Amino acid sequence: SAVISQKPSRDICQRGTSLTIQCQVDSQVTMMFWYRQQPGQSLTLIATANQGSEATYESGFVIDKFPISRPNLTFSTLTVSNMSPEDSSIYLCSVAENGNTIYFGEGSWLTVV
Amino acid sequence: QKEVEQDPGPLSVPEGAIVSLNCTYSNSAFQYFMWYRQYSRKGPELLMYTYSSGNKEDGRFTAQVDKSSKYISLFIRDSQPSDSATYLCAPLEGAQKLVFGQGTRLTINP
Repeated sequence: SAVISQKPSRDICQRGTSLTIQCQVDSQVTMMFWYRQQPGQSLTLIATANQGSEATYESGFVIDKFPISRPNLTFSTLTVSNMSPEDSSIYLCSVAENGNTIYFGEGSWLTVV
Repeated sequence: QKEVEQDPGPLSVPEGAIVSLNCTYSNSAFQYFMWYRQYSRKGPELLMYTYSSGNKEDGRFTAQVDKSSKYISLFIRDSQPSDSATYLCAPLEGAQKLVFGQGTRLTINP
């Protein structure tokens, strides 16, 4: 299975600032995904990122708040903009291999104070 | 109504017991059904997946899907303390979008 590395693994951020999370995969993948897991909750898809095209956002998530880059087939970034305490969550990068097997990174744990 | 319903637990059983974890779902278009295990402060780990109705076995784990009743199960035989984690069911919708249940927190007591 793909090895997915995320940076930072955790951070404490000030309200109103922005943070960019990086996701690196050890193999080329077409589709990468960003999920959010709020405290005590399950995972919710933020957006799908394909190389060479704009990310596709799920209902309730907008590009101005969560801009995503996908410059190549092994890398993506998610920025959480103008953070508030409600953005305190785990942000997870995932990739699809062989069509229907989807793997996750270890997550980036953000606390906004 | 949520698309995927899962009892959050917590569920606590003695070591060696058979564990049954269950989900129901509402979207009849789901075809692939994933189970993930998430240890505390870790990302979800893919345990296994099934396609359409039927059973799939992998070691001590058996996944079962009944599409007629929209019911998904994961059975763990000979449960071990290392199985203590949160288990997430996640049907696949369309182009690789996972729809997660809330997750069941499981504790296996030695």
